[in-house]
Amino acid sequence: ETGVTQTPRHLVMGMTNKKSLKCEQHLGHNAMYWYKQSAKKPLELMFVYNFKEQTENNSVPSRFSPECPNSSHLFLHLHTLQPEDSALYLCASSRQGAPDEQYFGPGTRLTVT
Amino acid sequence: LAKTTQPISMDSYEGQEVNITCSHNNIATNDYITWYQQFPSQGPRFIIQGYKTKVTNEVASLFIPADRKSSTLSLPRVSLSDTAVYYCLVGSASKIIFGSGTRLSIRP
Repeated sequence: ETGVTQTPRHLVMGMTNKKSLKCEQHLGHNAMYWYKQSAKKPLELMFVYNFKEQTENNSVPSRFSPECPNSSHLFLHLHTLQPEDSALYLCASSRQGAPDEQYFGPGTRLTVT
Repeated sequence: LAKTTQPISMDSYEGQEVNITCSHNNIATNDYITWYQQFPSQGPRFIIQGYKTKVTNEVASLFIPADRKSSTLSLPRVSLSDTAVYYCLVGSASKIIFGSGTRLSIRP
């Protein structure tokens, strides 16, 4: 148990659907992250939140919309995705921002059809 | 942003010491060096972090030379369960870049 949970674990959605990924951390951390990991590729940092404020947006397309209502929860809202968006989406948290040790969730395996 | 370069893959045997080297020629003064381990279909797990010289914890050691342009992760007496991808990160604040990682395979 890493203390970071993600739901759902698997998601299949059509290109016209709207869905949301949820991340929750029970570690009392103040920073949360979204990463994308495509097949056989390194992790790509998407968004960073520090004390609920977005501090990093790594040129992510607007079809991905993050939301951080409090320090324990992080959402990634998805709409009109493309097949190339199929990937493992990982959430992480750390006590403070980088370079603090990050605790990762198990990820959501997303397939866009 | 400091880019990292690691070997794509390495093989070793149970009980051996494994050293994985990472190059980061453009490391900035404020950057720390961090290593993560990732098993298939799981999120990465923190192994060790350092700024300079040597750091040791219960699972690994990290050697950083004085110029900090490279670092070496040392795993003592590996076992089959150490088969994974190992990532070297260099960064600070929100600037985090995962490299391509090193796929380590341990054989009996």
